[in-house]
Parts: sequence; structure tokens; C-alpha cells
Amino acid sequence: DAKTTQPDSMESTEGETVHLPCSHATISGNEYIYWYRQVPLQGPEYVTHGLQQNTTNSMAFLAIASDRKSSTLILPHVSLRDAAVYHCILRVPIASSSFSKLVFGQGTSLSVVP
Amino acid sequence: AQTIHQWPVAEIKAVGSPLSLGCTIKGKSSPNLYWYWQATGGTLQQLFYSITVGQVESVVQLNLSASRPKDDQFILSTEKLLLSHSGFYLCAWSLGLGGNTGQLYFGEGSKLTVL
Repeated sequence: DAKTTQPDSMESTEGETVHLPCSHATISGNEYIYWYRQVPLQGPEYVTHGLQQNTTNSMAFLAIASDRKSSTLILPHVSLRDAAVYHCILRVPIASSSFSKLVFGQGTSLSVVP
Repeated sequence: AQTIHQWPVAEIKAVGSPLSLGCTIKGKSSPNLYWYWQATGGTLQQLFYSITVGQVESVVQLNLSASRPKDDQFILSTEKLLLSHSGFYLCAWSLGLGGNTGQLYFGEGSKLTVL
């Protein structure tokens, strides 16, 4: 089961800045937060990840709460091509293994209108 | 640059027939490899992962098997398809030992319809 909670959908207008929230109240101290986005019938695309500090790259800014129980993905000046399902994911251990896995949930479906 | 290619793009198969899906990664040596599956309207589930040639670990039991015959190749197969196998299959790679295993690069996917 996914360890994160996200709104089912959000809508934005082209050029706006979008804030996508994610709750991960049971996060463990060494679990990284990952964000991916996916359009129908394509593989997910990595957006960003973080552990404790806010991070930024060419795609987005990730704001992580000081208690790490929530995070927000901030997409500046969205365009139509940013419409996708955005997944907030924790990397969790696989039972009886030293390996870990990404557990995807339903994510937030972001629609962008002109 | 690294590239990942999956085949076939789409398949329509009968219940009880065999299946083989393939994935090739070029431009990266010793990657970790993964198979994911997404039922229509469902969430992505990790099925298998492989850290090295000849070694594959199962994460979810779906009456499927996987093999890694070469460093750059990952195969998903079954002898007998079930209706429940329908969906979208994705192969992915990440950096291997010491790398960020949470940053995955996915292929284009293979859409499977079982009738």
C-alpha cells in the first residue's frame, strides 16, 4: 500500500504556479520522497526527490516540511504539456531483502487549461 | 546517452497462451532492472527487480517469471496467460551498486490484452 496521500485531481491555468500537496505522516527517518509524473500509456518520468532539505531542478521545486510529514511539489509557470498524473512516492524496503522499492499510488491528476 | 527499448509495443493474446516481453538497455553497464505492471485504471506495481545477470528477485506473485540473460536485457514471460494479466507492462532501469536506486528511467511500455 502507498504510504502517501494526495488529492485526486487539481486544475490549473497555463502560466500559473501549481502547488501539489502530499502527506506522508508515517515516513521513516531514512525514507526519501520521490516525485514522478505520468501521462496515459507512457512510463512515469522522474521529476525530483529529497530527504530533508528543499530541492530544486529545471522541472520543479520540492518543499519538504521540517517534520517531514508532508511535502509540496511546486511547478512554476505550467504549460499544457505539464498535464499529467503526479505521483508522490516513498522508497520503502522490500521484505526479506536489502533492496527497496517505489510504491506508487493513484497520484494527483493535474489538468491545465489554456 | 542511455536508451531503453521495450518490445512488443502491444499484444493481443488468448487465455492460456504463452507470453514473452522484452526490454533492452543501451549505454549503461550493470544497471538495476525492473518490471512494473499497471492494470487498466490501477496503480503501478513492481513485479521483479534484478541487480545482476542471472539474478532476479520477485516482488509480487502474478504467475509470471522474469530472467536477465544478459547485462542489458530483461525478459518477462509466462507459459499460460490469465485474463488478469491484461494491462500495461513497463521495464525500467536505475543506477546499480552505490547509485540512486529510486531514480528510475522507464521504457515506452508494452500493452497486453488477454482475451
